[in-house]
Amino acid sequence: AQKVTQAQTEISVVEKEDVTLDCVYETRDTTYYLFWYKQPPSGELVFLIRRNSFDEQNEISGRYSWNFQKSTSSFNFTITASQVVDSAVYFCALSANTDKLIFGTGTRLQVFP
Amino acid sequence: DTEVTQTPKHLVMGMTNKKSLKCEQHMGHRAMYWYKQKAKKPPELMFVYSYEKLSINESVPSRFSPECPNSSLLNLHLHALQPEDSALYLCASSQDPNTGKLDYGYTFGSGTRLTVV
Repeated sequence: AQKVTQAQTEISVVEKEDVTLDCVYETRDTTYYLFWYKQPPSGELVFLIRRNSFDEQNEISGRYSWNFQKSTSSFNFTITASQVVDSAVYFCALSANTDKLIFGTGTRLQVFP
Repeated sequence: DTEVTQTPKHLVMGMTNKKSLKCEQHMGHRAMYWYKQKAKKPPELMFVYSYEKLSINESVPSRFSPECPNSSLLNLHLHALQPEDSALYLCASSQDPNTGKLDYGYTFGSGTRLTVV
């Protein structure tokens, strides 16, 4: 079975704080893809990153960074120096050998000025 | 063009109405999807079309009827919906993961917010 767990339902921070969103996944497949999406209040799902199971390199893109660890089945997302515009729901998702994209339950991030 | 376009953005319909949601992509993606998202919940897969053929139906009620007229278009026909069907309907597309393309991923449209009254 495939599953994505985002244990943090809601996180509130003050601007400029760093925040880490946790994602733990389950799959028996050796080839799989992991994703992070941002969903602002307007509703669209904005693609942030994709990782395949053979690439464990961490990634940094501006204030965003991702830590992929196969040993713990985790794909965590860190926002450095958070801004109000980062307020959104963030989904971690998994795709493994099927056309299905399995979403976690999401983490609502609120960044206060 | 790197977008998935959904129309309409908002739709209000009565329980006896027939309406359709439309989705279009011109990225040459071979798979297209319908997802349903209720408030404060993650998107849930409804249907998958692969190379214009229905490949996955997640036990969706027959009042939702998908159609893929060509590789760029995906429709969702709605008939005799219930108020609990009110939700955000998201369309997505993706390439074939077996092509080995490094930029394989899912692109989502901005959704149609449906209200059934």
